[in-house]
Amino acid sequence: GQNIDQPTEMTATEGAIVQINCTYQTSGFNGLFWYQQHAGEAPTFLSYNVLDGLEEKGRFSSFLSRSKGYSYLLLKELQMKDSASYLCAAVDSNYQLIWGAGTKLIIKP
Amino acid sequence: GAVVSQHPSRVICKSGTSVKIECRSLDFQATTMFWYRQFPKQSLMLMATSNEGSKATYEQGVEKDKFLINHASLTLSTLTVTSAHPEDSSFYICSARASGDYEQYFGPGTRLTVT
Repeated sequence: GQNIDQPTEMTATEGAIVQINCTYQTSGFNGLFWYQQHAGEAPTFLSYNVLDGLEEKGRFSSFLSRSKGYSYLLLKELQMKDSASYLCAAVDSNYQLIWGAGTKLIIKP
Repeated sequence: GAVVSQHPSRVICKSGTSVKIECRSLDFQATTMFWYRQFPKQSLMLMATSNEGSKATYEQGVEKDKFLINHASLTLSTLTVTSAHPEDSSFYICSARASGDYEQYFGPGTRLTVT
């Protein structure tokens, strides 16, 4: 079956760095998305990786290892507004998104 | 670009009535639209996938006669919750995808409360 695993909740301190991991098992693979979702709002796009390696975009970076079925989202210089849920979603062979349950990130001052 | 709107943003209805939610892609043609439901503190749950001009494909456990989906044009899909009950109260989110694209662009969501 298809499965996405990510931690349920993480806590970090303002100004610090946090890494949110995601492992996936899908029938076929056409890339992996990370979305951010604040409470009561719809998800917003953060990143898309289809090739191995690290992609940096400002304070946020995303990494993918296709051979390991593994990705992570790295958030630097954490700000209070980064408190949100972070959703990992893999694209399967039918180009459907397989969603993880999301990681709730709590930022403390 | 790639803006998706949803209307209404919030709706309160009485038990037994029907509610229609609209999802529009404003600046691109959405060959595929998705409808999700999200209960408090839970992740997105895909309800159905609809391709323009064809019947929607519903996920297991989602009643197609209760959640009517119409995707009559490349820019509009509607979800009608028929005979709504309090347990249908949830956050309904649509997303849209253009042909050949992997990314789904999300609407802002509709908060449905059934009293």
